[in-house]
Amino acid sequence: NAGVTQTPKFQVLKTGQSMTLQCAQDMNHEYMSWYRQDPGMGLRLIHYSVGAGITDQGEVPNGYNVSRSTTEDFPLRLLSAAPSQTSVYFCASSTKGSISYEQYFGPGTRLTVT
Amino acid sequence: DQQVKQNSPSLSVQEGRISILNCDYTNSMFDYFLWYKKYPAEGPTFLISISSIKDKNEDGRFTVFLNKSAKHLSLHIVPSQPGDSAVYFCAASVSSSNYKLTFGKGTLLTVNP
Repeated sequence: NAGVTQTPKFQVLKTGQSMTLQCAQDMNHEYMSWYRQDPGMGLRLIHYSVGAGITDQGEVPNGYNVSRSTTEDFPLRLLSAAPSQTSVYFCASSTKGSISYEQYFGPGTRLTVT
Repeated sequence: DQQVKQNSPSLSVQEGRISILNCDYTNSMFDYFLWYKKYPAEGPTFLISISSIKDKNEDGRFTVFLNKSAKHLSLHIVPSQPGDSAVYFCAASVSSSNYKLTFGKGTLLTVNP
């Protein structure tokens, strides 16, 4: 199992550009989430999904869109990039059957918006 | 308004000694708590968790203690090893929502040989 994979690892955007951060998991997990981590901050939830076709907003959703057409994939779209979106983005997945309630995290995408 | 607080940004201990990382929370709805470890340029990895119906959970060198009345939990690492040097995040969730973790800011643990 590859677990949770994210692409790209690094990205530089200019203000106003759009892009999609890819996330995929091969564990057949029902739940997937996107977090961002800024310096000196913990991870903050952007959007999450409890199953294919179902998404909802987290703590910091503005400027981001998500969709979940399959169980495996959960892309995060930046509609018009802003310098405030410079961050490290982590995708995570989890299952409702988990005893430990843990989420499995991908390796992250480091995004810089200039 | 931070719901999960890790008030120590950093902690330094000697190899072989105990490391104690602390975490406080304010939201009484939280009933599941997790600790994650993060190395630079990697995603967080799960360490250990505890349900609010317990006050202690052990896994090898790692023990998490929960004091519900004080809304406080701690992670003990005994004995500490240089490979334990990483940022440790405390996280909390409402048990039915393990896709929505609320994280603290993290504590950088350095274990000196």
